[in-house]
Amino acid sequence: NAGVTQTPKFQVLKTGQSMTLQCAQDMNHNSMYWYRQDPGMGLRLIYYSASEGTTDKGEVPNGYNVSRLNKREFSLRLESAAPSQTSVYFCASRRDSDSGNTIYFGEGSWLTVV
Amino acid sequence: GDSVTQMEGPVTLSEEAFLTINCTYTATGYPSLFWYVQYPGEGLQLLLKATKADDKGSNKGFEATYRKETTSFHLEKGSVQVSDSAVYFCALMPYSGTYKYIFGTGTRLKVLA
Repeated sequence: NAGVTQTPKFQVLKTGQSMTLQCAQDMNHNSMYWYRQDPGMGLRLIYYSASEGTTDKGEVPNGYNVSRLNKREFSLRLESAAPSQTSVYFCASRRDSDSGNTIYFGEGSWLTVV
Repeated sequence: GDSVTQMEGPVTLSEEAFLTINCTYTATGYPSLFWYVQYPGEGLQLLLKATKADDKGSNKGFEATYRKETTSFHLEKGSVQVSDSAVYFCALMPYSGTYKYIFGTGTRLKVLA
């Protein structure tokens, strides 16, 4: 009963390094999301994917790229990390057939850029 | 654009006290409304939801009523426990069907024994 799985859970990067956050869901959901969580800012949407092969920018997409590899996986890439990208990143997915439109979150990835 | 405003935290209560966390929203049409809870070191979990005006969502003793006239979705619990200590997020899904959820800034609750 894994739900939404994110890796890595913790990562420290140097400014300018690149990395990819991986996310996979086993609930057969069509929609997937990447959010970042910062103190006093709540959760802000980085990118959204309504289905395999489609992606859409959210509120704070600058500095990030995403890839919807297949229905299960949605990765987030930082090409050249900056200290401003220090944050907690959450992947989420949505059950499209659910009239209540609930989204389900992974446990988060703590990223520090020094 | 659509937005969610939550009361500032942190909120500190004694065990068995009454809890209210205020949430108001700005949105066109009839958004779906949610409360999510985040325990330390974990992701967000759905606490309750309401999809139309006057609906009441409830779970684990928590309740919230979708009030269209006041654009509010306040979270309440009659008697909090230490285990309720967490961060609570109010959220909405826009009526427009974009499925881009909007979250409030979160309210930290600390319950003392």
